[in-house]
Amino acid sequence: DVKVTQSSRYLVKRTGEKVFLECVQDMDHENMFWYRQDPGLGLRLIYFSYDVKMKEKGDIPEGYSVSREKKERFSLILESASTNQTSMYLCASSLSPGTGIRQFFGPGTRLTVL
Amino acid sequence: AQRVTQPEKLLSVFKGAPVELKCNYSYSGSPELFWYVQYSRQRLQLLLRHISRESIKGFTADLNKGETSFHLKKPFAQEEDSAMYYCALGTSGSRLTFGEGTQLTVNP
Repeated sequence: DVKVTQSSRYLVKRTGEKVFLECVQDMDHENMFWYRQDPGLGLRLIYFSYDVKMKEKGDIPEGYSVSREKKERFSLILESASTNQTSMYLCASSLSPGTGIRQFFGPGTRLTVL
Repeated sequence: AQRVTQPEKLLSVFKGAPVELKCNYSYSGSPELFWYVQYSRQRLQLLLRHISRESIKGFTADLNKGETSFHLKKPFAQEEDSAMYYCALGTSGSRLTFGEGTQLTVNP
């Protein structure tokens, strides 16, 4: 089965810090995604990538950036963390192309910004 | 723009009772609908997709394009069905739009 791993399960940072969240998948998937998961709001797409060095904004990209230097790795960057970025962050990957394609999720990183 | 709505944030039923989790969508194109589930302390995973027309763990979901709905149903709920359920809409470029989620609790 596909394995999607995220670098940290829990993370505590201070306001203004630069934060890196790492995601790695082992099944040679082209597509990778970053979501944040908040109670009552569901999953909201932050950024996604269809290929190395390629990125697309999702629904809530403000305050975030991403990097995809290798096919298996997709990093989410909070340039200057703020308290409203306290959330659960989920990474996912899927094969390309087209819709109807199953996404595989990582375990999540619970980020707290103090 | 695409949108997915799950009107019930919380749903509580007794073991053996039927359960229906509602999902409505808005999308101008041809929709691909999914149900994802997250059990306690586990990662989010695919439960079923409309294109497969399958029954997984006793759950089924029928796409009703007239009512723009994709409700999830199970005739006899089990305690192990307690979880967070998300309806998702597949649109262009492999991305998914998720609903707000419904927390299902099945009481003994």
